[in-house]
Amino acid sequence: AQSVTQPDIHITVSEGASLELRCNYSYGATPYLFWYVQSPGQGLQLLLKYFSGDTLVQGIKGFEAEFKRSQSSFNLRKPSVHWSDAAEYFCAVALNSGYSTLTFGKGTMLLVSP
Amino acid sequence: DTGVSQNPRHKITKRGQNVTFRCDPISEHNRLYWYRQTLGQGPEFLTYFQNEAQLEKSRLLSDRFSAERPKGSFSTLEIQRTEQGDSAMYLCASSLGTGGGGTEAFFGQGTRLTVV
Repeated sequence: AQSVTQPDIHITVSEGASLELRCNYSYGATPYLFWYVQSPGQGLQLLLKYFSGDTLVQGIKGFEAEFKRSQSSFNLRKPSVHWSDAAEYFCAVALNSGYSTLTFGKGTMLLVSP
Repeated sequence: DTGVSQNPRHKITKRGQNVTFRCDPISEHNRLYWYRQTLGQGPEFLTYFQNEAQLEKSRLLSDRFSAERPKGSFSTLEIQRTEQGDSAMYLCASSLGTGGGGTEAFFGQGTRLTVV
């Protein structure tokens, strides 16, 4: 069965600094990988996804992620964090592109300091 | 299009009572999913429908949990004889699916259940 590990429960970043959130997955076949963001009182919003092709994918809100098969990783990055980015971030893996079953990591809470 | 709508947003119930949650997906979406999210955890997949057919239900947590989507539009999730361990956020999502592919899943804001 597939699994997702987000090793950092929470991270604090200064506003304007760069950000990298880690995600490692375990899955035998080609994974379909996603990053979602959840703000308080809001539903999960898709930031970006990787299905195949270019291993560096661009998403909304200035986020990007890089798929590294050799490291089983799909880390999320942003060059300059804004206070509005404070939220919880979830990495997820699916069996196919149809999103039928998403397996989520436990999430990383991002705090942004002034 | 108002997105995925879930009602109620909050529910407090006494242990042993039955509760039912409703999810209204985005109107043209044929797939509907239910997830549960407990404190400090990521969402956990429960079940999903394609139109009115429930294609995966083995992940429902026990036989106290059941879900329906009678006309392929809205869905309900029922928990019978609630227990304190059922306290969680219940999330619904919908997508437009074709075969093994489809669009992204759009999530509702969830129903927070507290069992006292």
